[in-house]
Amino acid sequence: QQPVQSPQAVILREGEDAVINCSSSKALYSVHWYRQKHGEAPVFLMILLKGGEQKGHEKISASFNEKKQQSSLYLTASQLSYSGTYFCGTPVESFGNEKLTFGTGTRLTIIP
Amino acid sequence: NAGVTQTPKFRVLKTGQSMTLLCAQDMNHEYMYWYRQDPGMGLRLIHYSVGEGTTAKGEVPDGYNVSRLKKQNFLLGLESAAPSQTSVYFCASSYSVLGGPKPYTQYFGPGTRLTVL
Repeated sequence: QQPVQSPQAVILREGEDAVINCSSSKALYSVHWYRQKHGEAPVFLMILLKGGEQKGHEKISASFNEKKQQSSLYLTASQLSYSGTYFCGTPVESFGNEKLTFGTGTRLTIIP
Repeated sequence: NAGVTQTPKFRVLKTGQSMTLLCAQDMNHEYMYWYRQDPGMGLRLIHYSVGEGTTAKGEVPDGYNVSRLKKQNFLLGLESAAPSQTSVYFCASSYSVLGGPKPYTQYFGPGTRLTVL
């Protein structure tokens, strides 16, 4: 079942912070985060594993709450280059990670 | 390394025509995937493969067929194109190392924009 992302879209001024949430109705063993810039392919940002540590990529970090079946992506002091659509992906099957189902995305726009 | 490549980049078809999209990867990945992306729908899995000679259905397989005759190639076919198949198609590949830090990280190709009139 497709994870639910919120918000659907957010507009920030450069330097502001944002949080993107991803929640699932079933138990999660991992959450994958991807970013897609306009007209380009999705690019892997990070993966959070059950029992693993919070991850970071540039000034982007994420957390994974297994009990609540959700993950949050934190963008700190946003830069113009952070603009794009962020997708979370969760395994279709409990133990096999080879198939992911993706949320519908959160469009992030950074303005100067 | 070219990574994941897709051909063609753009294509316009008439209803009922057929075509094949080619995906190639040079990373020796076991797993390959075909997705379609429509506005507001995110990425939806059409078919995937866990190794040479194997294929399996994803979320939205109807109207598509696939083949993986060689490990590095994954072909997506439309036998009789319909306007509902107008979309951007992405191919991806992945691998997993037991106990590795990035299991099944997916690497995407640049996409094929298909319009069916």
